[in-house]
Amino acid sequence: EIVLTQSPGTLSLSPGERATLSCRASQTVGSSYLAWYQQKPGQAPRLLIYGASSRANGIPDRFSGSGSGTDFTLTISRLEPEDFAVYFCQHYASTPFTFGPGTKVDI
Amino acid sequence: QVQLVESGGGLVKPGGSLRLSCSASGFTLSDFYMSWIRQTPGKGLEWVSYISSGSGDIYYADSVKGRFTISRDNAKNSLYLQINSLRVEDTAVYYCVRGHSYVYHWGQGALVTVSS
Repeated sequence: EIVLTQSPGTLSLSPGERATLSCRASQTVGSSYLAWYQQKPGQAPRLLIYGASSRANGIPDRFSGSGSGTDFTLTISRLEPEDFAVYFCQHYASTPFTFGPGTKVDI
Repeated sequence: QVQLVESGGGLVKPGGSLRLSCSASGFTLSDFYMSWIRQTPGKGLEWVSYISSGSGDIYYADSVKGRFTISRDNAKNSLYLQINSLRVEDTAVYYCVRGHSYVYHWGQGALVTVSS
């Protein structure tokens, strides 16, 4: 099983600042089979990034993903008030598909 | 637009059973793999099961193998999860999702609480 570790656990920032979130896999996730999601309280997760760096439909370009192998990064270039949420990474390289524990971005 | 609506959640005693249903609309169910993902505050998100469009390819997480059964009725645009021998640790919000890799479309979730 591929274990995903996310850091930091919590990121305290202000609107307009840049957020850098990390996701590390215990084994390579192949050809970048890595996705990022945003989740707000009481809502289902929302897909942001797939294939490590491809933005999902309707996702603003302030969100970007990078990385390969075992180390991946989600960057939010300038935080908007609606970006304060929990962010999860997930691999789909092989079963079991697993999720990271999440990074909370708060004010 | 794509809509996934779960039903069937509730409070169940340990050892009990439950059947979750997911009604799909806005797309042709038979064109897609479908999955169930659950979320708990303690263990986070867990991919529970998936099923191919023709039901020939089915996956279960080790934690539910032998207790959960996924099925689908494409003619009724519905996905199901039969949950037997429920344990306290099965308490979670269960999401019906389209696909079996990354997930664009999620239902709103059905809460299953296992408690005596």
